[in-house]
Amino acid sequence: GAVVSQHPSRVICKSGTSVKIECRSLDFQATTMFWYRQFPKQSLMLMATSNEGSKATYEQGVEKDKFLINHASLTLSTLTVTSAHPEDSSFYICSAPGAVDEKLFFGSGTQLSVL
Amino acid sequence: DQQVKQNSPSLSVQEGRISILNCDYTNSMFDYFLWYKKYPAEGPTFLISISSIKDKNEDGRFTVFLNKSAKHLSLHIVPSQPGDSAVYFCAASPSGTASKLTFGTGTRLQVTL
Repeated sequence: GAVVSQHPSRVICKSGTSVKIECRSLDFQATTMFWYRQFPKQSLMLMATSNEGSKATYEQGVEKDKFLINHASLTLSTLTVTSAHPEDSSFYICSAPGAVDEKLFFGSGTQLSVL
Repeated sequence: DQQVKQNSPSLSVQEGRISILNCDYTNSMFDYFLWYKKYPAEGPTFLISISSIKDKNEDGRFTVFLNKSAKHLSLHIVPSQPGDSAVYFCAASPSGTASKLTFGTGTRLQVTL
């Protein structure tokens, strides 16, 4: 099946710093990628849809200036958490729809801890 | 507002028996439903899906049942195997595709020997 690679898997940073998370589709092209966030004991929540060559679309309540998304190529989308604060500590995971069918393929996720 | 609910956070089943994982939804616009399986430190992997035009879909040991009137779906695994131990997420979409999925909180399945 299709492979989505996400890095890093874990980040610990100080409050106020920015963190970049990369999501790559390894064996297929993805014009669209999705970024989800999961807080403890909660479900995966869609944050934004990353569109290759155009602006990302954000879900209600997600600050676009805080969570910068760049989808510069057909195989790479990045999420940058700017000026991270402890409340941004969460599990971030990206996904991309397969080329053949509508299954979503997920990266392995990034656990962000902001001290 | 939790539109997709998995009310059982955990389930323990003996190897060889049937595992039944349940999921309820509230949004009548959902027309495509998926189950994902997640192992620790890995992303969710697709397991099985069902469109609202069907009430059952089967793939090997896995069967998903959809009851639209009750807004309820369930995943049956039979026979259960120790390798099935994982967290199972129910997800739903209003678009007939896997885009913009709404997920449940997951059910941790433990298959014991």
